[in-house]
Amino acid sequence: AQSVTQLGSHVSVSEGALVLLRCNYSSSVPPYLFWYVQYPNQGLQLLLKYTTGATLVKGINGFEAEFKKSETSFHLTKPSAHMSDAAEYFCAVSDAGGFKTIFGAGTRLFVKA
Amino acid sequence: NAGVTQTPKFQVLKTGQSMTLQCAQDMNHNSMYWYRQDPGMGLRLIYYSASEGTTDKGEVPNGYNVSRLNKREFSLRLESAAPSQTSVYFCASVAAATNYGYTFGSGTRLTVV
Repeated sequence: AQSVTQLGSHVSVSEGALVLLRCNYSSSVPPYLFWYVQYPNQGLQLLLKYTTGATLVKGINGFEAEFKKSETSFHLTKPSAHMSDAAEYFCAVSDAGGFKTIFGAGTRLFVKA
Repeated sequence: NAGVTQTPKFQVLKTGQSMTLQCAQDMNHNSMYWYRQDPGMGLRLIYYSASEGTTDKGEVPNGYNVSRLNKREFSLRLESAAPSQTSVYFCASVAAATNYGYTFGSGTRLTVV
């Protein structure tokens, strides 16, 4: 069985500060890992993904995440927050087939001016 | 623009009424999914269709039925709506057997009174 835990339902940072959103997963098979972003009243949008290969993956809008198998983690980072980054972020895990992608509960990011 | 289209965007139902949520994708994707989103619970899978002609239950299928009408369309039906089904419903699709990330619709906000 697979599961995802996002640490912190709310994270608040100042504009220009580092963004760090934490995600830990469990999976009995090699995982595919994803971060999605949801802006208010919109659907989810794929931010980045890890499938195989390089463990540091870069996504849109300057975000990146690192797959650490030993720590079962896939934390999302951005060096400098922008007001437009305020949204809800979801970590997700699936196997290669992807028929049952499991989503975390989400972390809402607030960016203060 | 290519993508996943959901209708309606908003709906209010009385307890016991029925309705069908429509979803269509024009990306020639094989697999389609229905999720519900509730505060603090992330997204939970209701039903999915791995390919045209097949459907399977997800995590929370009770009270719902689905139809994969053709490769493009995947509908979700509530036969007798209950207040517990008040939620935001998202349809998603993915191209092939390997999950490189879902494309989501913009959602249907359903309120059952």
